[in-house]
Amino acid sequence: GAVVSQHPSWVICKSGTSVKIECRSLDFQATTMFWYRQFPKQSLMLMATSNEGSKATYEQGVEKDKFLINHASLTLSTLTVTSAHPEDSSFYICSARVGGASTEAFFGQGTRLTVV
Amino acid sequence: QKEVEQDPGPLSVPEGAIVSLNCTYSNSAFQYFMWYRQYSRKGPELLMYTYSSGNKEDGRFTAQVDKSSKYISLFIRDSQPSDSATYLCAMKGASGGSYIPTFGRGTSLIVHP
Repeated sequence: GAVVSQHPSWVICKSGTSVKIECRSLDFQATTMFWYRQFPKQSLMLMATSNEGSKATYEQGVEKDKFLINHASLTLSTLTVTSAHPEDSSFYICSARVGGASTEAFFGQGTRLTVV
Repeated sequence: QKEVEQDPGPLSVPEGAIVSLNCTYSNSAFQYFMWYRQYSRKGPELLMYTYSSGNKEDGRFTAQVDKSSKYISLFIRDSQPSDSATYLCAMKGASGGSYIPTFGRGTSLIVHP
């Protein structure tokens, strides 16, 4: 399958600081990427859909000013958690779709964020 | 009622057993059906991707879709301890907002030696 690389795999930051997570499609161009959040023993919670060259579409209840998403190229999307707080600690995962709406999406390795 | 229902388990089986994992759904617009495997602290890995009703086989894995019953299954033959993971079903439609995948909550599978 297609390869999606997510970096970093884990990060610890102080409360009030910002953290940037990168999601790269290594062997394909991804017009659409998705950002998810996952709590322990829970399913994936979609945060936003990111389309290259346009503003991300956020799900209801997700603060767009807190979770900044940039999809400036066909191989890179970034999620920045601004002014992080302990309640933002979670597992964040991106996925990238290989083509149009009918195609499959592949996931990155995930990033475990701990805010202290 | 959630759009996609999946029993969280855990499902514990002995090595070599045939495993059956299932999901039900309510949205008749779903056309594409996926199964992902997720190991602890890792991102989900796509196992099977199918369109509409029918069966699809890949090695020890068989995906089955019954759209009339809104029921999908993943069968694992000759299960191995390395198959121990959480299995997520997902599905999506073919137009508009339905193309965004909807995930089940995942079934935890434990294959013991």
